[in-house]
Amino acid sequence: GENVEQHPSTLSVQEGDSAVIKCTYSDSASNYFPWYKQELGKGPQLIIDIRSNVGEKKDQRIAVTLNKTAKHFSLHITETQPEDSAVYFCAGGTSYGKLTFGQGTILTVHP
Amino acid sequence: NAGVTQTPKFQVLKTGQSMTLQCAQDMNHEYMSWYRQDPGMGLRLIHYSVGAGITDQGEVPNGYNVSRSTTEDFPLRLLSAAPSQTSVYFCASSVTSGPAETQYFGPGTRLTVL
Repeated sequence: GENVEQHPSTLSVQEGDSAVIKCTYSDSASNYFPWYKQELGKGPQLIIDIRSNVGEKKDQRIAVTLNKTAKHFSLHITETQPEDSAVYFCAGGTSYGKLTFGQGTILTVHP
Repeated sequence: NAGVTQTPKFQVLKTGQSMTLQCAQDMNHEYMSWYRQDPGMGLRLIHYSVGAGITDQGEVPNGYNVSRSTTEDFPLRLLSAAPSQTSVYFCASSVTSGPAETQYFGPGTRLTVL
């Protein structure tokens, strides 16, 4: 089955800096890669996703890149703000029924 | 529009007890699923359903049962609770199971098995 590895497990940045979280996957059949943000005491919320026929996708301060050859994808957050502090999860799979999640990254943005 | 709701928020069980975690959505979503979240392991899929009357196993189904008699409800049953089932459980739903659809998560149920 699919195996998704996520790094780093914790990330601390100053407000205004950029943050990058990286994930690798093992199954070349995977074609869908969402990213979720989870705030304390809440369920995960989808923030951006990318499919295997696209190399990059951007939504305001958030971007995701995908390298199918190397089987890795990354989340980029620019101009970070304290409200970006949360746990971020990547996932990979072929559909929602077959998603495998990474272990999560605790992002802390210091004012 | 309440979205995805889960009850209870917290639960403590003794080993061997059974219970049902409730999940409901009011968005007329076809697809619903249950995940468990353990420290350092992300979310792991337990069971999912692509519509009323249709369920399937995910990555970690052992010790759990599900049924989907209505579009709105997708309860998760623990048959005989074990300490290894101590976790936070999330229910999620989306319009369909296709990747184009946003998946909405409930607030979670924190379960402790003693």
